[in-house]
Amino acid sequence: RKEVEQDPGPFNVPEGATVAFNCTYSNSASQSFFWYRQDCRKEPKLLMSVYSSGNEDGRFTAQLNRASQYISLLIRDSKLSDSATYLCVVRDTGNQFYFGTGTSLTVIP
Amino acid sequence: EAGVTQFPSHSVIEKGQTVTLRCDPISGHDNLYWYRRVMGKEIKFLLHFVKESKQDESGMPNNRFLAERTGGTYSTLKVQPAELEDSGVYFCASSQGFGGGQPQHFGDGTRLSIL
Repeated sequence: RKEVEQDPGPFNVPEGATVAFNCTYSNSASQSFFWYRQDCRKEPKLLMSVYSSGNEDGRFTAQLNRASQYISLLIRDSKLSDSATYLCVVRDTGNQFYFGTGTSLTVIP
Repeated sequence: EAGVTQFPSHSVIEKGQTVTLRCDPISGHDNLYWYRRVMGKEIKFLLHFVKESKQDESGMPNNRFLAERTGGTYSTLKVQPAELEDSGVYFCASSQGFGGGQPQHFGDGTRLSIL
């Protein structure tokens, strides 16, 4: 079983739509959680950390459900520039980071 | 502030040859990580340095891979001899501190192709 699982998509949504991605992780002792964004042939870039109480950054909202071991990312009012692959990343107790395969999003004009 | 830089950006070599990848972390970042992404798969951890010490090298595939970080600054990852299955994108990342959920900052990666 993979440490981190994501629906690879692709998600194709119109501009202005709201889209949500989910991610599940297998290690209940995992410590920290992140969403990264990766554009085609570029490096992963931190989008936001995910906190237990949930957190919001502009149009982006991240939620963590420790009981069910899943993390979500909600993007409101999608922009063309949001098109990218979104990576769910989980850090375990040994400070090792595990990546999901990524969810592909394309925002259509 | 300069980000994580990796060199070369691309490398194409023949099976059996040797290749050395370099990573310069963000200045002041004690933690340095190497990752690899094989086509169609997720990014996978290779190893983690804290300053010049290997904190965790459990992800290194085999003894053909050797990572060093002399002086605790830049790091090199040598593959010798390279095999076809070593092809992929090798990312380096760095972070400050230890634990506590510090995010990692990634370099652009080195795209390695073994022919």
